[in-house]
Amino acid sequence: NAGVMQNPRHLVRRRGQEARLRCSPMKGHSHVYWYRQLPEEGLKFMVYLQKENIIDESGMPKERFSAEFPKEGPSILRIQQVVRGDSAAYFCASSLSGSRGDTQYFGPGTRLTVL
Amino acid sequence: AQRVTQPEKLLSVFKGAPVELKCNYSYSGSPELFWYVQYSRQRLQLLLRHISRESIKGFTADLNKGETSFHLKKPFAQEEDSAMYYCALRLYNQGGKLIFGQGTELSVKP
Repeated sequence: NAGVMQNPRHLVRRRGQEARLRCSPMKGHSHVYWYRQLPEEGLKFMVYLQKENIIDESGMPKERFSAEFPKEGPSILRIQQVVRGDSAAYFCASSLSGSRGDTQYFGPGTRLTVL
Repeated sequence: AQRVTQPEKLLSVFKGAPVELKCNYSYSGSPELFWYVQYSRQRLQLLLRHISRESIKGFTADLNKGETSFHLKKPFAQEEDSAMYYCALRLYNQGGKLIFGQGTELSVKP
């Protein structure tokens, strides 16, 4: 099992461009979580998805950010019209069931730099 | 509001010395707490969870509900323990998301 995969590992965008971050969960996992780590801060929850459904998006900024987890393919975190404040490391985690006792396994992260 | 606090940003000890990384939480429900570790250039990985009550790589952590703490301890630190350590609280009534502390960087000197 290759573990949680994220790509790209590093992404550079200019202000106003779009950023697309991909997350492939571990085999058999249907629960995906996205977290953001701003410089000098801990990880902050953004969104929780199951296949084709957004379960909890309470940590997502209200504008420019969206996430999906289609029936086929990876989960995508999309940031439109990026600004410098979006520069951060974005981590995704996957789990088997989302229930008590379950473990979230993390990907290596995508480091987004906005110029 | 739910919160996890790790008061030390950096903890530096000598090899063989005892280590305690502090973690306090604020949560009105039944907590499930974790310690994650991130070694240099590696991904975040689970170190231990309170429900398992196990010892991993010599580390232990006990949940103290009275003090709302989940401190990570190791009696004799090793150089390979140098890493970032994150304490996390899982909220099952909110979809299972993790609330992380700010992290403590442990540096074990030879």
